[in-house]
Amino acid sequence: ETGVTQSPTHLIKTRGQQVTLRCSSQSGHNTVSWYQQALGQGPQFIFQYYREEENGRGNFPPRFSGLQFPNYSSELNVNALELDDSALYLCASSRRQGSGETQYFGPGTRLLVL
Amino acid sequence: DQQVKQNSPSLSVQEGRISILNCDYTNSMFDYFLWYKKYPAEGPTFLISISSIKDKNEDGRFTVFLNKSAKHLSLHIVPSQPGDSAVYFCAASVAGIYGGSQGNLIFGKGTKLSVKP
Repeated sequence: ETGVTQSPTHLIKTRGQQVTLRCSSQSGHNTVSWYQQALGQGPQFIFQYYREEENGRGNFPPRFSGLQFPNYSSELNVNALELDDSALYLCASSRRQGSGETQYFGPGTRLLVL
Repeated sequence: DQQVKQNSPSLSVQEGRISILNCDYTNSMFDYFLWYKKYPAEGPTFLISISSIKDKNEDGRFTVFLNKSAKHLSLHIVPSQPGDSAVYFCAASVAGIYGGSQGNLIFGKGTKLSVKP
């Protein structure tokens, strides 16, 4: 069973630029969630996608957007990058079905905004 | 306002002894709780979960206890091993209609566990 993968592992951008982060879900999973983890903090929920539609959103501005594709892979897009967007971005996948659902995380993408 | 609190930033334990990591929550709507372990440069790894209909769940060396009246849960690791040294996150959510967690996991800030040989 293939685990959750994310790309790239590291990224450096400048303020005002746009960035796209990618995630491949674990095999058999149909739900993907994105989290932002700042240094010394726990992960914070950005949004979740189920069957290619946004299915819940945390307290993040609209410049954070996402997509889920038919193969359940996903993208996180951030426009107009700000210095505070520097963080570890985590993708988690899960399988929504009748016997419970646990989110499994990828290794993350570390984004640095200069 | 932090809904999930891990008040101990760090914990040091001798190999072979018990490690007890604590977590408190404020939102009474939470009914599904998870513990994750995180090594540097890796994503969080799922350890164990518990739903609010239980007060204990055990998996090998890991046991999670839930006290709903106190809004408190704890993770016990027995016996502790040096490989357990990592940051441990407590997370909570409202259970989905199928059980398990759904969507918005709320995390604590983590507790760094050091297990000394």
